Amino acid sequence: EVQLVESGGGLVQPGRSLRLSCAASGFNFDDYAMYWVRQVPGKGLEWVSGISWNSGTLGYADSVKGRFTISRDNAKNSLYLQMNSLRGEDTALYYCAKGATAVGFYYPMDVWGQGTTVTVSS
Amino acid sequence: EIVLSQSPGTLSLSPGERATLSCRASQSVSISYLAWYQQKPGQAPRLLIYGASGRATGIPDRFSGGGSGTDFTLTISRLEPEDFAVYYCQQYGSSPFTFGPGTKVDVK
Repeated sequence: EVQLVESGGGLVQPGRSLRLSCAASGFNFDDYAMYWVRQVPGKGLEWVSGISWNSGTLGYADSVKGRFTISRDNAKNSLYLQMNSLRGEDTALYYCAKGATAVGFYYPMDVWGQGTTVTVSS
Repeated sequence: EIVLSQSPGTLSLSPGERATLSCRASQSVSISYLAWYQQKPGQAPRLLIYGASGRATGIPDRFSGGGSGTDFTLTISRLEPEDFAVYYCQQYGSSPFTFGPGTKVDVK
């Protein structure tokens, strides 16, 4: 079974850092682009960041560029999101998602985790 | 950045009726790299349509997508009780990928 499990969320003060992780199983992780998408409860979806299968292509939303860094460890079947200089508006449920087709970067997301909650507040 | 708008914001229909949802992009979407997702309360989104008109694995044929350039539609031919949800369009042809604000389909 293809599965994505996010972890690392929690309560953090503004200006501090947090690192999210996503553990993948049930597919050849190193063949697929991976993404982070966030959602404020009761609001819409916001694409945060993406990384190609070989880390050669990275993408970020304007709202997080320069503060967040996406990375992956294919040996560990894991995706990461390093979040620095956190702000109140970063408070959301963060989903990890898998690209629908092997190789490349420009794909929709066909498998999603259940998300990890980040709350930025003093 | 490509900005997506969706209309209507809410669509109130009865089971068995046809639903037509619209998604408009601020500039042409590359190679029709436009997807539709369904999200129900408390659940992660589910991919319905990719490439503007391709159905994802396991998606019933009552869901269909169309359009190109800047104008796209999602049609649900006959609403089933499980189809009442929020629907998002997303472009993935240029980075940053972006989502529309969503259309809620609720029971009339």
